Amino acid sequence: GEDVEQSLFLSVREGDSSVINCTYTDSSSTYLYWYKQEPGAGLQLLTYIFSNMDMKQDQRLTVLLNKKDKHLSLRIADTQTGDSAIYFCAEMTTDSWGKFQFGAGTQVVVTP
Amino acid sequence: EPEVTQTPSHQVTQMGQEVILRCVPISNHLYFYWYRQILGQKVEFLVSFYNNEISEKSEIFDDQFSVERPDGSNFTLKIRSTKLEDSAMYFCASSVTGGIGANVLTFGAGSRLTVL
Repeated sequence: GEDVEQSLFLSVREGDSSVINCTYTDSSSTYLYWYKQEPGAGLQLLTYIFSNMDMKQDQRLTVLLNKKDKHLSLRIADTQTGDSAIYFCAEMTTDSWGKFQFGAGTQVVVTP
Repeated sequence: EPEVTQTPSHQVTQMGQEVILRCVPISNHLYFYWYRQILGQKVEFLVSFYNNEISEKSEIFDDQFSVERPDGSNFTLKIRSTKLEDSAMYFCASSVTGGIGANVLTFGAGSRLTVL
């Protein structure tokens, strides 16, 4: 079965890098996602990676995938106060299109 | 940027009442979804819908739940007789296609349902 786990809270100083971690269990062909949720807003897709990739970079965001350990991380460079939000890791296998398995979300608080 | 729009943003209802949550997916999207998040818990898949039929549903999506696309723009989730445990944030989502096109879902802001 699928299970996605992530730490619940991260505090980071403005200008530092944030690293949010996630573990997943399914080993089949999988898409792995990072979504951001700001207060009162929906789930905003930040980036995603397919399980045959090791890394993906998009401006300040870097996703690293360790397939052996089933570990996914999101690094936010030069963290800003606007990055304060809940970050969700999610997994979708190619035999369940559109059916995402979400983690519980990591609350990121950016302090001045 | 195109958005998925959900109404109401917050609804309070009495236990046993019927509730309809509404969603307007992105106009060229063909696949539609409902997810929910009970406070403090994970976001959970409820149902996917395509071509006026349910494609897949979870164990949560029992006979109390139904979905409908009553016209060309709206996609609704109905809960026939609400229970306290139905209190949650309900997210609508859509994707351009199914299959590999369903690897990117656009979510709405959610409808918070409070059952008293």
